[in-house]
Amino acid sequence: GEDVEQSLFLSVREGDSSVINCTYTDSSSTYLYWYKQEPGAGLQLLTYIFSNMDMKQDQRLTVLLNKKDKHLSLRIADTQTGDSAIYFCAETTSGTYKYIFGTGTRLKVLA
Amino acid sequence: KAGVTQTPRYLIKTRGQQVTLSCSPISGHRSVSWYQQTPGQGLQFLFEYFSETQRNKGNFPGRFSGRQFSNSRSEMNVSTLELGDSALYLCASSLSGGKDTEAFFGQGTRLTVV
Repeated sequence: GEDVEQSLFLSVREGDSSVINCTYTDSSSTYLYWYKQEPGAGLQLLTYIFSNMDMKQDQRLTVLLNKKDKHLSLRIADTQTGDSAIYFCAETTSGTYKYIFGTGTRLKVLA
Repeated sequence: KAGVTQTPRYLIKTRGQQVTLSCSPISGHRSVSWYQQTPGQGLQFLFEYFSETQRNKGNFPGRFSGRQFSNSRSEMNVSTLELGDSALYLCASSLSGGKDTEAFFGQGTRLTVV
C-alpha cells in the first residue's frame, strides 16, 4: 500500500521538545525523509534516514525509526517560533523515482 | 547556486481551458518530478522525468501531461481544466532521482480554476 499517516496538528511551547510521528505501510521503503513547508514556500528537506538505521541525530533534530512497527518520528529539541510550519514525512523505494508523502503535521510553537 | 524556479507563481484559469507550467531545475540536475498539493489530497506524485524520458507516472487522468527538454527544464500541461485541478503544483529537481539523492523543491505554482 501507499499510505503514510501523520497527526494533523501539534502545539508546543517555545523551548520545549516537539515530537512528530509518522506511520508508513510500504515495508520495501528504503529511505524515509522529513520535509518542512513554511507558508507560501516549497518543501525544504530537513533530514532523512536509511531503512537499516534506527536513529539519526542532526543538531536539534533526532529521527527515530521503528521498522517493525513502520513508525518514524522527528524530535525537535528546544523548539523555536521559527519552527512553526507543516512537517511532512515521505518514503521512497528504490527504482520508483517518487516520494510518497504523509498528510502533514502542522506545528504551532507558542511563545 | 540558483534554486529550482517555477513559473508562473500564480495563475487563474477558467474551466475548460488548458495551462502550461514551467520548471527550471538546479544546474546539473537531470531529474525533475512534479507533485500536486491540495488540502484534501495532500501531496500527490504526478510524474518524473530524467534525460527527457518519463520514468514514472502517478494516478492522474490523461489530461495531465509533461515533458522534459534537453536542458532538463520541464513543463507540465493540464488540458480541459476542472475546478478540482485548483492546487499548488510543486516541482522538484535532483541529480539523478535515485533514492539517495536529495530532491530540491521549487516554491510552486498556485493554480486557481474558476
